[in-house]
Amino acid sequence: GAGVSQSPRYKVAKRGQDVALRCDPISGHVSLFWYQQALGQGPEFLTYFQNEAQLDKSGLPSDRFFAERPEGSVSTLKIQRTQQEDSAVYLCASSIDSNQPQHFGDGTRLSIL
Amino acid sequence: AQRVTQPEKLLSVFKGAPVELKCNYSYSGSPELFWYVQYSRQRLQLLLRHISRESIKGFTADLNKGETSFHLKKPFAQEEDSAMYYCALNTGGFKTIFGAGTRLFVKA
Repeated sequence: GAGVSQSPRYKVAKRGQDVALRCDPISGHVSLFWYQQALGQGPEFLTYFQNEAQLDKSGLPSDRFFAERPEGSVSTLKIQRTQQEDSAVYLCASSIDSNQPQHFGDGTRLSIL
Repeated sequence: AQRVTQPEKLLSVFKGAPVELKCNYSYSGSPELFWYVQYSRQRLQLLLRHISRESIKGFTADLNKGETSFHLKKPFAQEEDSAMYYCALNTGGFKTIFGAGTRLFVKA
């Protein structure tokens, strides 16, 4: 595809359930970023991958959050035992390398009931 | 701590009027600064970056290290400029820090 693809677009889960969010970056993009965007706020950095290596996960809010990119392309963000405060839009972005402009997906809107 | 501040949540101007969206950052080194824009029902996209020193859609932004600012300006606003604008800071690592955003509304 022409851009970063994220699925699902919307996810509703009950508190305590596990969720998995998928990001398909632009082909050939080495760098992949995950962000969390709460209502009325800007995106907040969660984690960064360079190919399959997770080089920075300093933004993950707790050990319930886990991200992987096993083959250096598609990435999955998993949230275990979801809490209401996890409700947000989760954005994925990719770039040719970490110094180049990031291309964003449409995001996944996660609602925890 | 590294931080980006956009003091205005909402900015409303008339078509044809000048517009300035304010951005201040806190970082003592050499920052790289960006403006991202999100139009209605579209994804977040890069508008401009300070190292490019270019004008995109009539917008310019100058890095002022003395005032730690990177304000976005356009001399004559157009209705199609109505959007959410985010200022962002990269300090050389992998982490980009975004401001909370300013919603620009250009009235006819």
